[in-house]
Amino acid sequence: GDSVTQTEGLVTLTKGLPVMLNCTYQTTYSPFLFWYVQHLNEAPKLLLKSSTDNKRTEHQGFYATLHKSSSSFHLQKSSVQLSDSALYFCALRETSGGNYKPTFGKGTSLVVHP
Amino acid sequence: DPKIIQKPKYLVAVTGSEKILICEQYLGHNAMYWYRQSAKKPLEFMFSYSYQKLMDNQTASSRFQPQSSKKNHLDLQITALKPDDSATYFCASSQDLQQNTLYFGAGTRLSVL
Repeated sequence: GDSVTQTEGLVTLTKGLPVMLNCTYQTTYSPFLFWYVQHLNEAPKLLLKSSTDNKRTEHQGFYATLHKSSSSFHLQKSSVQLSDSALYFCALRETSGGNYKPTFGKGTSLVVHP
Repeated sequence: DPKIIQKPKYLVAVTGSEKILICEQYLGHNAMYWYRQSAKKPLEFMFSYSYQKLMDNQTASSRFQPQSSKKNHLDLQITALKPDDSATYFCASSQDLQQNTLYFGAGTRLSVL
């Protein structure tokens, strides 16, 4: 079955530093990858998504590139802000194969200090 | 205005009781889902519905029963509640089952004593 593996646990950074949250996946079918962000006591919401190989997608200063050759979709930002402190989920959906259930990673908690 | 309404926001129940979690979406979506989030298993998929039909059930226990009275409603009935059921339950929707982006409601935080 499909699976998603993320940088586990907690990532702590000082404001202004770059960050990369790792996401790798396994699927037999053509993938659609997502990053969702969940701030404290809020619902998860879409941050960015991609199904195009080797094309960078960006939103709100975050960016990621889907690399099908390495089954990766790492989330990056060049300079984190205090407001980026949140829980980040990488998710996978198949675009074919008949299994459209979204598969989420376990989440990575990002804490940004002043 | 929230497009996916979940009620109640907080719920406290005693062990052995039964509760219903309400979800209504006003996005015009045809697919709806339930997810559970706890410290042990972040964002655990439970059910998916498409056009009011159950498409996928990943919940081992029959104590969890989704109910879809209308296309934009997907309630979750939980019977014989246990302390381990304590979690935040998120309702979500997407345009169709194949449509990729999920939109989440604000969640119902359930505590079972």
